[in-house]
Amino acid sequence: NAGVTQTPKFQVLKTGQSMTLQCAQDMNHEYMSWYRQDPGMGLRLIHYSVGAGITDQGEVPNGYNVSRSTTEDFPLRLLSAAPSQTSVYFCASSSGDIYNSPLHFGNGTRLTVT
Amino acid sequence: AQKITQTQPGMFVQEKEAVTLDCTYDTSDPSYGLFWYKQPSSGEMIFLIYQGSYDQQNATEGRYSLNFQKARKSANLVISASQLGDSAMYFCAMRESNFGNEKLTFGTGTRLTIIP
Repeated sequence: NAGVTQTPKFQVLKTGQSMTLQCAQDMNHEYMSWYRQDPGMGLRLIHYSVGAGITDQGEVPNGYNVSRSTTEDFPLRLLSAAPSQTSVYFCASSSGDIYNSPLHFGNGTRLTVT
Repeated sequence: AQKITQTQPGMFVQEKEAVTLDCTYDTSDPSYGLFWYKQPSSGEMIFLIYQGSYDQQNATEGRYSLNFQKARKSANLVISASQLGDSAMYFCAMRESNFGNEKLTFGTGTRLTIIP
């Protein structure tokens, strides 16, 4: 069972560079989301999607883009990396009723922007 | 206003004792779900337990139980007979549907350390 797969596990970028964090799930989940985790701040929602072709902003969307062309994939794009985007990024998915469906998380991507 | 508040940044508990991790929430949506996650030092997020806003009984999963007090808007996690492997960060989260915009909001977490 692959579940939610995130790549890469680690990444170092220079300020101004762009990159895409990949996220794929094989559970046929409609709901997918991206979070960033910073010390003392818990997990904050960046973007989410309730199905293919539908995305919406979360709490901290600035500097990030997403798209959802398939049910399986939900990539997160950093357009011009900044040191403030140094963080651990988690992709998560879930299915069914929002009231009883826990999020399944990937193992995270640790991003450092210098 | 914070949606999810965890007031205990850190806790130290003796092995085999029970521990309660506090969580209060704020929502005007009558339908919502409350979740607890564990994050060990290895970094992965592990789902522990869930409580729905309409559930009449408190949720239980093995050594984990959720003390749900709807009127007080609290959803405390109780771990019975704590073990060394319970040392981790614990996050409370709330899932609500705000006019179709589904969001899961996390608290800032409690770092639990079990002392042998």
